[in-house]
This record gives sequence, C-alpha cells and structure tokens, in this order.
Amino acid sequence: DTAVSQTPKYLVTQMGNDKSIKCEQNLGHDTMYWYKQDSKKFLKIMFSYNNKELIINETVPNRFSPKSPDKAHLNLHINSLELGDSAVYFCASRPWGAGDLDEQFFGPGTRLTVL
Amino acid sequence: GQQVMQIPQYQHVQEGEDFTTYCNSSTTLSNIQWYKQRPGGHPVFLIQLVKSGEVKKQKRLTFQFGEAKKNSSLHITATQTTDVGTYYCNQGGKLIFGQGTELSVKP
Repeated sequence: DTAVSQTPKYLVTQMGNDKSIKCEQNLGHDTMYWYKQDSKKFLKIMFSYNNKELIINETVPNRFSPKSPDKAHLNLHINSLELGDSAVYFCASRPWGAGDLDEQFFGPGTRLTVL
Repeated sequence: GQQVMQIPQYQHVQEGEDFTTYCNSSTTLSNIQWYKQRPGGHPVFLIQLVKSGEVKKQKRLTFQFGEAKKNSSLHITATQTTDVGTYYCNQGGKLIFGQGTELSVKP
C-alpha cells in the first residue's frame, strides 16, 4: 500500500480555472505538508497542518487554500490559476511530537501545467 | 530569512568518480537531514545528523555534520548510474530545503 498518495498525478488546465489536488496518508501521522517544486527543482514549503489545524502558512497567494477534513487527508484547492502556478506539488507527512527529528514521507507529486 | 545554501547546483561525473555536495548555514542547525530525488520521482529520506562532528555511512555514501553544526556534506564514493538524481539537505525542524545538487553520471 502506498504510504502517501496524491491525485491526480498530472493536471493540465487553462489559466483562470479552479482545481484541487488531493493527498492521503495511511501512516497514522499527525502532520501533513504541501510543498511546491518549481522548474529549478527548488522545494518550498507552502502549508503545514497538524491534526487538521493549520500550523504554517508561508507567503502563498490566498488563491491557494488547503483543507484538511481529517488528519489523514490534506487537499489543496487553487483558484484562478496562473501560468506561474505551473510546478510539481508534493504532499508530505510526518509524526508529530518528535520535534524535528523525524523524516518526512513524500507523496509521488502532482505535476500541474497551466496553459 | 534562515536559509541553507547547497553547492554545487549541478555535478556531472564519470561513473566510478567520487561526488560531494555541501550544505552551509549562517546559523547553527539543530539537525540536518538528507534526501534523494530520482528523476521524475519524489524526495526520499536518506539520513539524519544531529550531533556536532557526526559522521554516518551508508555503503558508498558518507554524511558529515560540521563541528559547529553549520555545515554538512554528502560524499559518494565511486558513483554508479543508480546514484543519479537530486540530493537535498533539509533543516529538519524548519522545513527548509537547500537548493539541491543534481548529479548526473555518465556510464
């Protein structure tokens, strides 16, 4: 079974559309993240959720809205897509409570292309 | 803001040559983690270093944490084509990744 899964794997859409990416983890972790990886492969944290509560919200346009219906799921909704949103989006998870000493488990990524 | 700088950005080697990537911080790090991302794949955890001067080995990979806990390195001995990918250092608790070093290996 896949530990951290994301859907869809690829997403091609027009500028101005609204789209969602879903993430699920079956590791029993309390903390989940969204990262954006740009064309230069730079990995940047976007959001962090702990047990359905937003912990970290980096400087991300408010067109991006994460939602966590339960601690195993963290979805990312993007409104009014722009060309610059094209990137690979990774979901990750990690146990809470061990401070920063635990590895993160990454999903396979969603490659978003905005035309 | 706080950053970890990683060099080089790219490294092309002949199979069998050694490879090293460096991660540097202007501030003391509580710990550092290393990840590998294969082409088309996702980052996968390799190792974590916590103690000053710590050295850990995984087969041909050697990881070091500086005495001042401000820098770290990953060294691969006798690279193989399976080593291809991008290597990232990560400042664990801060969720900050270095820019990554993309390694290509020519057979």
